[in-house]
Amino acid sequence: GAVVSQHPSRVICKSGTSVKIECRSLDFQATTMFWYRQFPKQSLMLMATSNEGSKATYEQGVEKDKFLINHASLTLSTLTVTSAHPEDSSFYICSARGWRNYNEQFFGPGTRLTVL
Amino acid sequence: AQSVTQLDSHVSVSEGTPVLLRCNYSSSYSPSLFWYVQHPNKGLQLLLKYTSAATLVKGINGFEAEFKKSETSFHLTKPSAHMSDAAEYFCVVIKGEYGNKLVFGAGTILRVKS
Repeated sequence: GAVVSQHPSRVICKSGTSVKIECRSLDFQATTMFWYRQFPKQSLMLMATSNEGSKATYEQGVEKDKFLINHASLTLSTLTVTSAHPEDSSFYICSARGWRNYNEQFFGPGTRLTVL
Repeated sequence: AQSVTQLDSHVSVSEGTPVLLRCNYSSSYSPSLFWYVQHPNKGLQLLLKYTSAATLVKGINGFEAEFKKSETSFHLTKPSAHMSDAAEYFCVVIKGEYGNKLVFGAGTILRVKS
């Protein structure tokens, strides 16, 4: 149990376009979802936290207008990178937490974004 | 503030020998600590977690970690390395009033030689 999926796994886009990444909890209801980014050879950095039905809370230094997060249901959150630029190229990972095991986050497999 | 420091960026061991990945934490209160593993281009998998119960925590794939408050350490060990253990390992602490935020260490890349 506690499986989280992400789609797509890889995406390549042109500079200036927008990209949407989906994060789904497949077998549990995710009351909270988290979005991280991981630059090559670096650790994960939390970008934002989203609770179902409310606005996301962004970490300091993360542009909320550039990284749009929607958590419209208990099983789906989306991250849209708007007007992507090459510096946005990164590995984006989501995680989800449900009612049970409040301290544990279950991670998706990640999405590799490359902006040309 | 809660933080973790992984003392080695790379560790190399021979197959069948013990593994030791070191992590020190900083916390103003009793922390919740985790070890995650990440294989190339894959998501993170939880190895084990410490949440103020037994100080010796056993995880999956033969890994275990011991919480030592006097040393502020939470080192990850395994008696005998397997080739499939080659991956990146992250020591993680929970931060935030409601346990919302995971703070990741810089990671340790484990290489297993045949």
